[in-house]
Amino acid sequence: QVQLQESGPGLVKPSETLSLTCTVSGGSISSYYWSWIRQPPGKGLEWIGYIHYSGSTNYSPSLKSRVTISGDKSKNQVSLELSSVTAADTAVYYCARRSGGFFDYWGQGTLVTVSS
Amino acid sequence: DIQMTQSPSSLSASVGDRVTITCRASQSISNYLNWYQQKPGKAPKLLIYAASSLQSGVPSRFSGSGSGTDFTLTISSLQPEDFATFYCQQSYSTPITFGQGTRLEIK
Repeated sequence: QVQLQESGPGLVKPSETLSLTCTVSGGSISSYYWSWIRQPPGKGLEWIGYIHYSGSTNYSPSLKSRVTISGDKSKNQVSLELSSVTAADTAVYYCARRSGGFFDYWGQGTLVTVSS
Repeated sequence: DIQMTQSPSSLSASVGDRVTITCRASQSISNYLNWYQQKPGKAPKLLIYAASSLQSGVPSRFSGSGSGTDFTLTISSLQPEDFATFYCQQSYSTPITFGQGTRLEIK
């Protein structure tokens, strides 16, 4: 059974960089696409981007200038960095496995609050 | 970007009711349409992929249909555990986009 677990600071100051890690167990990141998706409190889902096991990435145009997604095969982890954050970046951040276009496995999500 | 519009945004229904939620894409997406259920405080759960394929382990009362721009999710007989928010998602092209959600409440 594939499991995903997000981790990282729950509070980030404005203008700083948000950094999260997704640890995958029960399967290897050396296959499939691995995505980050976020959900502001009380709102809908927003796709941030994904990384393919080959290392290729694809980002949402609205966040592309501030986002980096990377993978560490040795640790079976996928990471997200979002720079120059503002209060609008406050959200629950999910990592998810993308298979054939749909997201079949999700982490439980981690709330990141941007505040001074 | 492909815009996904769900209707209604919310609805109230009773246990045993048949419920249909609609999702419309701003351009044709063939059958690249997926449905998720999200309960409060939980991650979304995949219900239907490729417009009409039932994800393993999902009860058969859930079904999906449609192609092109218009899609529906149907719950044939609502159960107490089905009350949640439902999202559609297109995987035809990036950026991947979701509908705004449909909140299903108990009447």
